[in-house]
Parts: sequence; structure tokens; C-alpha cells
Amino acid sequence: GAGVSQSPRYKVAKRGQDVALRCDPISGHVSLFWYQQALGQGPEFLTYFQNEAQLDKSGLPSDRFFAERPEGSVSTLKIQRTQQEDSAVYLCASSPRVDTQETQYFGPGTRLLVL
Amino acid sequence: SQQGEEDPQALSIQEGENATMNCSYKTSINNLQWYRQNSGRGLVHLILIRSNEREKHSGRLRVTLDTSKKSSSLLITASRAADTASYFCAHPSAGGNKLVFGAGTILRVKS
Repeated sequence: GAGVSQSPRYKVAKRGQDVALRCDPISGHVSLFWYQQALGQGPEFLTYFQNEAQLDKSGLPSDRFFAERPEGSVSTLKIQRTQQEDSAVYLCASSPRVDTQETQYFGPGTRLLVL
Repeated sequence: SQQGEEDPQALSIQEGENATMNCSYKTSINNLQWYRQNSGRGLVHLILIRSNEREKHSGRLRVTLDTSKKSSSLLITASRAADTASYFCAHPSAGGNKLVFGAGTILRVKS
């Protein structure tokens, strides 16, 4: 079956621009996660949804970052007034269960470059 | 910031050799997971070992877990050029809701 998909795969933004990154999780997966991966580092948690409820947003680095999952399937991560330090790969992951301790299935990521 | 460490940071071996990567973590964990990431792509889950397990095998992969030392190792036997990738260990955070990743080991297998 289809895995997690993300779009766009690459995004170049000018500093100050707003961007929106989309994630299509595996159909039926309850849990959805966003991670940020800087060059040469491991992914770092941003936020977690259980269905449409955003249960944890402790990893969002500033109030310029906003995520939603209004119908409990597709999710969008929005970054307002992008800064150069926002340049990273943004990974989305989903899992079929409420238990967030188990395996997560990752998408290919969106590589964001802010100039 | 990440809570785990992996070593080595980079490893270069010949095809057919074994590769061993180590991971240390700081908190009590329910399980430890290993993921692989090919250049510019998402992470692929390799194997999960639970806190009450000491060793687990999957194909050419062997994972060990020592909860007393808060460490894990991943062994890839008879490596292939296609094993070239970055390898990350990860564990659920104490409060759940996220995986905490190490910085990763970059493995290069030369043919």
C-alpha cells in the first residue's frame, strides 16, 4: 500500500515568506508526527496529533510554526515569516495506534531552504 | 536537543565486512528502535527491541540492548554497497508522544 507522502519535496523560500508543507499519512493511521532534521543531525520532534487533536506541540521552536490536521488525516505544517535558521528537512511520520511508543512510518521529507 | 549519542559518527568498510554501530541514551526506556536513512530520504524502520529483551535478529541485522549501561548496538553482517546510509537509534520519550533520536552514524560500504 501507499506510504506516507509529503509535498513539496523541495521548497526554496525568501526570508520573510510564509510556507506550507503537506503530509498525507498512511490511510487509517491515528497518530501523526512532525520532526525537523537539521543537516547532519537526527530528527527532532515538533508536534503530535492523535486524529484531529494536537496533543503535543512542545517541540515547535516558535510561534511562527503552526500545524493542523482538521479532519484527522492530511496535516499541514505552516511556517510564517521564514528565517534562515528554519532551513532543514521536515519529516512527517504516522503510526496506526494511539500508543506513540511504537514504530513510526516516515515520509520522504520536505527540504526547505530559506535564502 | 537530542538525548542520545551514537558512535562512531562515520564508518567506512569494504563490502562483505561487518559493521557495528553503538548508541547510548540517558533515560529509562520502553523500547529502542533503529532506523536507516538513505541520502536525502525519509527514515525506514529496521528493528525494535523491547526493554525486557537483550538481543534480537532480523536478517543480517543483530541488535543488542543493555539497559544497565543504557546502551544498544546494531550489527550488520556481510555488508553490501546498498547498506550505505545513515543509521539512527531512537527511543520513546519519558512522557511518550515522540521519538528521541541520536545524531546518527554514517555508514559507507565500498564495493
